[in-house]
Amino acid sequence: GAGVSQSPSNKVTEKGKDVELRCDPISGHTALYWYRQSLGQGLEFLIYFQGNSAPDKSGLPSDRFSAERTGGSVSTLTIQRTQQEDSAVYLCASSLFQTNTEAFFGQGTRLTVV
Amino acid sequence: TQLLEQSPQFLSIQEGENLTVYCNSSSVFSSLQWYRQEPGEGPVLLVTVVTGGEVKKLKRLTFQFGDARKDSSLHITAAQPGDTGLYLCAGAGGTSYGKLTFGQGTILTVHP
Repeated sequence: GAGVSQSPSNKVTEKGKDVELRCDPISGHTALYWYRQSLGQGLEFLIYFQGNSAPDKSGLPSDRFSAERTGGSVSTLTIQRTQQEDSAVYLCASSLFQTNTEAFFGQGTRLTVV
Repeated sequence: TQLLEQSPQFLSIQEGENLTVYCNSSSVFSSLQWYRQEPGEGPVLLVTVVTGGEVKKLKRLTFQFGDARKDSSLHITAAQPGDTGLYLCAGAGGTSYGKLTFGQGTILTVHP
């Protein structure tokens, strides 16, 4: 696609439910990043992929969070047993290589846990 | 862990004023990027600075990378209401190779 696509754009879920957030990066981009952003704040790093492997998953807040990437393309971020503090905008970005290159962001998924 | 301290967190000014946003770290980065984000959108890259001491200009925006590659600044001349948004600095490389480390962001509001 022309840009990074994330779905859904909005998700409201009940506390305790599992959610899956999807990211379609720009074709050919080897690096993929997940960040979390609270209202008007900076971006909190969650995990990044180089190809299908995740060299750095240090930002995942707890074992309720997991992510995978298949075929060097689509990535899914899964949050199990959601809590209210998980409410945030989850942003995905991709870049051609790992560093020093522009990261292209999707519009994000706004997750609200009620 | 590499951290980027961005200041000020909030900036509210009148159209035509000048402003500077700072991004500081105790760590060295191989490059530093500045992004601008509007409500409901993802951040969009403004510039990447790579060389210590480098200065880049983008119309009314001037970006500088510190000599030691630990800090950066964004200066806006004669701010316009269209400059309103969240400005984020992000460091790449260094000990956090493979991920972009973001500052907390500066929310800029330019009043007509």
